[in-house]
Amino acid sequence: AQTVTQSQPEMSVQEAETVTLSCTYDTSESDYYLFWYKQPPSRQMILVIRQEAYKQQNATENRFSVNFQKAAKSFSLKISDSQLGDAAMYFCAFVNYGGSQGNLIFGKGTKLSVKP
Amino acid sequence: EAGVAQSPRYKIIEKRQSVAFWCNPISGHATLYWYQQILGQGPKLLIQFQNNGVVDDSQLPKDRFSAERLKGVDSTLKIQPAKLEDSAVYLCASSRNKWTEAFFGQGTRLTVV
Repeated sequence: AQTVTQSQPEMSVQEAETVTLSCTYDTSESDYYLFWYKQPPSRQMILVIRQEAYKQQNATENRFSVNFQKAAKSFSLKISDSQLGDAAMYFCAFVNYGGSQGNLIFGKGTKLSVKP
Repeated sequence: EAGVAQSPRYKIIEKRQSVAFWCNPISGHATLYWYQQILGQGPKLLIQFQNNGVVDDSQLPKDRFSAERLKGVDSTLKIQPAKLEDSAVYLCASSRNKWTEAFFGQGTRLTVV
């Protein structure tokens, strides 16, 4: 079975500091995509960053970057220079590239608080 | 580019009543998802369409939930009859194909009393 595990239900960071959110996944496939989504209180899921499994280079998007360790099946998100607007639920998600299905599977989420 | 549209935003019904949610995906997106998100949890896939065909409905409680995607564009999700445990946010998402990132609507918060 394919699963996504986020072991940190809640995290807190001081404004302007750096925080890392953890994610591990389990799959027998070799080709897949990984995503981090942000869900603020407004409920709308917003894509933060994506990573293709075949790429060794870690993805970056401005203050957001990932540490992708394929062998360890780990995909952590680093937020640098944290801002108050970063406070939200963060979900790690996974989708197989191959096969007939492409189910987007989510972890249970990490609630990030940003302290001024 | 317009985003994924969902309606209504909120719905309160009594148990055993029926309810329907509507979703209009981003134009040109072949894949459409319905997710159920219970408070404090991650989204759980209910059903996935590829154009107007069902790709995966393995977690859809088919005795009470149904969904359709007519003409491969808009989709409706129906619950009949509703139970208390159906209280959740129902999220619709679409993607260009089944392997790329999904874009989400704002969701419908359902409360069953």
